[in-house]
Amino acid sequence: QSALTQPRSVSGSPGQTVTISCTGTSTDAGGYKYVSWYQQPPGKAPKLMIYDVSKRPSGVPDRFSGSKSGNTASLTISGLQAEDEADYYCSSYAGSYVWVFGGGTKLTVL
Amino acid sequence: QVQLVESGGGVVQPGKSLRLSCAASGFTFRSYGMFWVRQAPGKGLEWVAVIWFDGSNMYYADSVKGRFTMSRDNSKNTVYLQMNSLRAEDTAVYYCARKVAGTYGMDVWGQGTTVTVSS
Repeated sequence: QSALTQPRSVSGSPGQTVTISCTGTSTDAGGYKYVSWYQQPPGKAPKLMIYDVSKRPSGVPDRFSGSKSGNTASLTISGLQAEDEADYYCSSYAGSYVWVFGGGTKLTVL
Repeated sequence: QVQLVESGGGVVQPGKSLRLSCAASGFTFRSYGMFWVRQAPGKGLEWVAVIWFDGSNMYYADSVKGRFTMSRDNSKNTVYLQMNSLRAEDTAVYYCARKVAGTYGMDVWGQGTTVTVSS
């Protein structure tokens, strides 16, 4: 049950586009379509932003998009806004009813 | 509105037990699987356990297997996490989350309850 690998931090200016990567293996992110992304502002609970690699729940702005290539999933945020500043976590189903999370990425809006 | 409210956290000595509860409202609870996820101070999220919508199956992370038990009471719209033989490394905020229908994401989260294991 090893964690997925995310960059510790990313940053961007308002209006810019940033991408957060999430690297796993063929037994988790690479092997299933069940990658999710969560946004967690400081001191708050996580919020689902993307599930099944690229699906957006109702109410999540279309500035947020997800994709996957091989063992690496990505979350892209376009038109960056100050309110997007938060920690972001990826998660994947890893087979045999096990789930794994990434270590988290701190997004700073400059 | 759709809501999950955790309770039962507190300070407990190593080796002791604690039971967390998560009360659901605003949706048909008996139709959804549920998760527990925890976050140690200053650390990332860690999946702890999952239970199927009807309570027929439960699965656990290796770090808690044999010590934690997840259950649910669909008549009370509540899931539980019984935590035994607690260790210092179990100190965390514990969140319950709803499983996305038909797939494996977590679409509704509670506000969390804090468990501190310390002598």
